[in-house]
Amino acid sequence: GQQVMQIPQYQHVQEGEDFTTYCNSSTTLSNIQWYKQRPGGHPVFLIQLVKSGEVKKQKRLTFQFGEAKKNSSLHITATQTTDVGTYFCAGESGGSNYKLTFGKGTLLTVNP
Amino acid sequence: NAGVTQTPKFRILKIGQSMTLQCTQDMNHNYMYWYRQDPGMGLKLIYYSVGAGITDKGEVPNGYNVSRSTTEDFPLRLELAAPSQTSVYFCASSFLPGKTNYGYTFGSGTRLTVV
Repeated sequence: GQQVMQIPQYQHVQEGEDFTTYCNSSTTLSNIQWYKQRPGGHPVFLIQLVKSGEVKKQKRLTFQFGEAKKNSSLHITATQTTDVGTYFCAGESGGSNYKLTFGKGTLLTVNP
Repeated sequence: NAGVTQTPKFRILKIGQSMTLQCTQDMNHNYMYWYRQDPGMGLKLIYYSVGAGITDKGEVPNGYNVSRSTTEDFPLRLELAAPSQTSVYFCASSFLPGKTNYGYTFGSGTRLTVV
């Protein structure tokens, strides 16, 4: 079945440093979504990417969808302590009956 | 607008007991999902539903059952609880997955421990 791999598993940064997490799918995706889960919380939707090569920005967050629609990345510029949490990518492939397959997530910790 | 509501928030079960995790949404979403989350393992799909009266298995359905008699409610039933079912369970809903930019809305989760 479809697999979504995410690296790194953990990332610890100093406040103000940049952060990137990468996501790779074993199959071509129709869309990819990103979620953030604060410690002890539930996943919260951040963004959806649909088009090949698409780039979207949300303030300090930049999301990219690869040309082959099999990989994606999330980049945070100048991290803040409020960025702490686990970032998940989740992909949907065509014909999946609207099911998302989640990566294992990247836990980001920020040292103030 | 409460979104997705899950009850209970915490529960301790003894091996062999049964329970139902409740999930209700007030957004008129057709699509609903149950995921379990184990430490460092991401979210694994247990069951999902594309509308009232329609359910289907996800990646890890063994030991669970669901029903979808109304658009709003999607309860998850655990029969004969086992320690392997110790996990955090999330219910989620979506309006039209893949076609909108709203993603899934998750409930706050149920933390279940089986002893």
